[in-house]
Amino acid sequence: DAGVIQSPRHEVTEMGQEVTLRCKPISGHNSLFWYRQTMMRGLELLIYFNNNVPIDDSGMPEDRFSAKMPNASFSTLKIQPSEPRDSAVYFCASSLRGGWDTQYFGPGTRLTVL
Amino acid sequence: QKEVEQNSGPLSVPEGAIASLNCTYSDRGSQSFFWYRQYSGKSPELIMSIYSNGDKEDGRFTAQLNKASQYVSLLIRDSQPSDSATYLCAVTILEGSYIPTFGRGTSLIVHP
Repeated sequence: DAGVIQSPRHEVTEMGQEVTLRCKPISGHNSLFWYRQTMMRGLELLIYFNNNVPIDDSGMPEDRFSAKMPNASFSTLKIQPSEPRDSAVYFCASSLRGGWDTQYFGPGTRLTVL
Repeated sequence: QKEVEQNSGPLSVPEGAIASLNCTYSDRGSQSFFWYRQYSGKSPELIMSIYSNGDKEDGRFTAQLNKASQYVSLLIRDSQPSDSATYLCAVTILEGSYIPTFGRGTSLIVHP
């Protein structure tokens, strides 16, 4: 299996621009998680989906962030408008049946907002 | 505010020694505890989970949980240079939100 796939791996954008991060979970996994990691705040779970349905988005920092999962093999995390404080590494992870102990992370997207 | 505290380190141990990583948490309702390993520039990888008081062993790794004292630890026996990484502790509460709270991680350096 190819594992969790994320794109792009690196993104540099200017403040105010829209940013879209993409994730393809492991085939057969029905839970998907979006995380953000910064030096200041560490690793934070932003939102997670079960069977394409958002279950808990309490970690989403503000309305500028939105996430969708239109089907079992694709999810997006969008930031509009982006701000310098959004600079971070964003990880996507997937698991079977929402299990935290069967979770596999993607390689991450390093986002820099200038 | 749920908090998970870890000493940032670095913790330096010689090859072959036991590395002891500690994590304390603030919420007494916490039910599930996880240890992740993260190599520099890479994504986290789950290495241990523990749910009840006591010890849980998996190869060279042992997780220890003490809910009364609100701490969870990870022991790595026979440490190898390849164990050099940052170790993240995560805690979840099964009732209510399933969102885990992560510690900032402890950097471990195993020197030959």
